[in-house]
Amino acid sequence: SQTIHQWPATLVQPVGSPLSLECTVEGTSNPNLYWYRQAAGRGLQLLFYSVGIGQISSEVPQNLSASRPQDRQFILSSKKLLLSDSGFYLCAWTETGDINEQFFGPGTRLTVL
Amino acid sequence: QKEVEQNSGPLSVPEGAIASLNCTYSDRGSQSFFWYRQYSGKSPELIMFIYSNGDKEDGRFTAQLNKASQYVSLLIRDSQPSDSATYLCAVNRGNKLVFGAGTILRVKS
Repeated sequence: SQTIHQWPATLVQPVGSPLSLECTVEGTSNPNLYWYRQAAGRGLQLLFYSVGIGQISSEVPQNLSASRPQDRQFILSSKKLLLSDSGFYLCAWTETGDINEQFFGPGTRLTVL
Repeated sequence: QKEVEQNSGPLSVPEGAIASLNCTYSDRGSQSFFWYRQYSGKSPELIMFIYSNGDKEDGRFTAQLNKASQYVSLLIRDSQPSDSATYLCAVNRGNKLVFGAGTILRVKS
């Protein structure tokens, strides 16, 4: 069966510090991978998605970036965090195909102070 | 107009009642429709998806799709307090899903 991992689970960072969040998927090959952010009490905002190694599509211009160095690894980064980067960061995966069911990881709660 | 719209709620129903959650979408080209449940502080979990007009049942859940009217709904029969959560509707757009803001459901015992 497939599983998706995210770490860390929680993170408190000062403004201006760098960020690296990691997501890995097990039990599947060549998944589509997604990064979302959910601000407190808000809906899901798609940040990036990837259909293959090294292929990144950005949905919203901001100070975040994403990379996919391996088939089942997806990384979200920032060089300098802003207060507005606080939120719940969710990684999701889907098998390539017509239906596009997405399955979410447990998430990382980021607080920028 | 938002691409996927949901009433934010909260929708309050008594235990044992049917909860009806609705969602409308704007892109007539959408093919697949999804319902997710999200408990407070947790990640969304997929309840079910539907891609054909009509009803699809899974246990206490029934998804209904009407492409002509561009709405999809989720019925929860015999609602339980454990069903209290935010329910997210999502619609496919190519490789991506577009999510509504969610409806808060509260089931009172």
